[in-house]
Amino acid sequence: GAVVSQHPSRVICKSGTSVKIECRSLDFQATTMFWYRQFPKKSLMLMATSNEGSKATYEQGVEKDKFLINHASLTLSTLTVTSAHPEDSSFYICSATMTGGGTGELFFGEGSRLTVL
Amino acid sequence: GENVEQHPSTLSVQEGDSAVIKCTYSDSASNYFPWYKQELGKRPQLIIDIRSNVGEKKDQRIAVTLNKTAKHFSLHITETQPEDSAVYFCAANYGKLTFGQGTILTVHP
Repeated sequence: GAVVSQHPSRVICKSGTSVKIECRSLDFQATTMFWYRQFPKKSLMLMATSNEGSKATYEQGVEKDKFLINHASLTLSTLTVTSAHPEDSSFYICSATMTGGGTGELFFGEGSRLTVL
Repeated sequence: GENVEQHPSTLSVQEGDSAVIKCTYSDSASNYFPWYKQELGKRPQLIIDIRSNVGEKKDQRIAVTLNKTAKHFSLHITETQPEDSAVYFCAANYGKLTFGQGTILTVHP
C-alpha cells in the first residue's frame, strides 16, 4: 500500500525558534498534500492544502506567515513553524493523495509532536 | 464549506456488543465518506469508506451505511473486541476531507 513518511516524529524546541517538518510519499507521487493540526482528544483540523509547484491554500484562521508550507516536488512537502511559541505545541499530521485519479483515499504520515518550551 | 457532525463523542460497550457511530454532513456535493481509526499518538488508519453511489458497504465486522437524501452515514462494528478501542473519525470529501469531531470507543472485556 501507499506509504507516507513524516519526520521528525517528535521535536522539542525553544520559544522563538523555527521548526521544519517533512512529509514524503515514499512509493507514489502526490500532487496534493494536506497538513493537519490535532489537539489532544480532538479532531484533525485542516491547516492548508499543498499543491506541487504552487502556493499552498490556507484554511481560514491559519497564519500563512506562521506556518510556511512548501511543496517542491511530487513526493515532498514541508511545514515550517516559524518563531514557535508554546501555543504552537501540537500534533501535526500530513496526508497525501495519489496523482492520476486513484481512489481519493488519503494516506497519512505518522505525525509530528511539537513541544515548544 | 462542508460541516461534519459526529455522535456520540464517547461510546462504551461490552466485548461482543455492537457499536454504532453516526455522522451528518452539510454539502450535498460530497461524494466520498471514509472512516478512520486512530490510536493514541498514531496516525489515522482508514478502516472503511463508501462512495455516494453506494448505500452500504461491509468488510467483515465493519459496515458503513449512507443515506444521501438525509445526508448522514453511519459506522457499524459488530462483535466488538477490546482492540477496537480507539478514536474513530468520520469524514466527508468534496475536494478536501472534512473530519467529524471523533468518537472515543471503549470496549470492555
